[in-house]
Amino acid sequence: TQLLEQSPQFLSIQEGENLTVYCNSSSVFSSLQWYRQEPGEGPVLLVTVVTGGEVKKLKRLTFQFGDARKDSSLHITAAQPGDTGLYLCAGEGNTGKLIFGQGTTLQVKP
Amino acid sequence: ETGVTQTPRHLVMGMTNKKSLKCEQHLGHNAMYWYKQSAKKPLELMFVYSLEERVENNSVPSRFSPECPNSSHLFLHLHTLQPEDSALYLCASSARQLGNGGYTFGSGTRLTVV
Repeated sequence: TQLLEQSPQFLSIQEGENLTVYCNSSSVFSSLQWYRQEPGEGPVLLVTVVTGGEVKKLKRLTFQFGDARKDSSLHITAAQPGDTGLYLCAGEGNTGKLIFGQGTTLQVKP
Repeated sequence: ETGVTQTPRHLVMGMTNKKSLKCEQHLGHNAMYWYKQSAKKPLELMFVYSLEERVENNSVPSRFSPECPNSSHLFLHLHTLQPEDSALYLCASSARQLGNGGYTFGSGTRLTVV
């Protein structure tokens, strides 16, 4: 069974701080996606990474796919209160199914 | 506007009730999914429909019954649920069954079983 472990599970920081969220597995994924979910809403796709070592930037968010395609990280620079939410990583497994991590709840205090 | 619309947004039902959740997408996607989201647990895949054919039933109890009458609509029929079935039920769609293109999720139905 392919699993994705996210860390940390909870993160509370002050506005302006930097943070990194990790998504790790012992399995290889053909692609990995990051979603953000706000309270009362469904997850919204932020980015998809496909190639080992790939780095993608979305404003203050930087996403990296590990060289071996087993792990990924999300780095946020100068976090804002609007970044508050649940961050989910999801990997496309060897059966074609999307496997989700348990999520990282981020709170950015003004 | 997410492109995937779920109704109702909130539902409270007794254990003997029968209700249905509705999901609608007009994105031209040909795969649709039901997920269950409970506190502190990863999203749990329940059902997958590809081209209106159910391709996956992830060991879901028979008190949950999906229906996909066409590529734009997906239903989840509920009957004799248990309190532990209380959760956020999310519908999603994608351009193809494989997840590479990303999923578009609805806002979910918050279900409470009393």
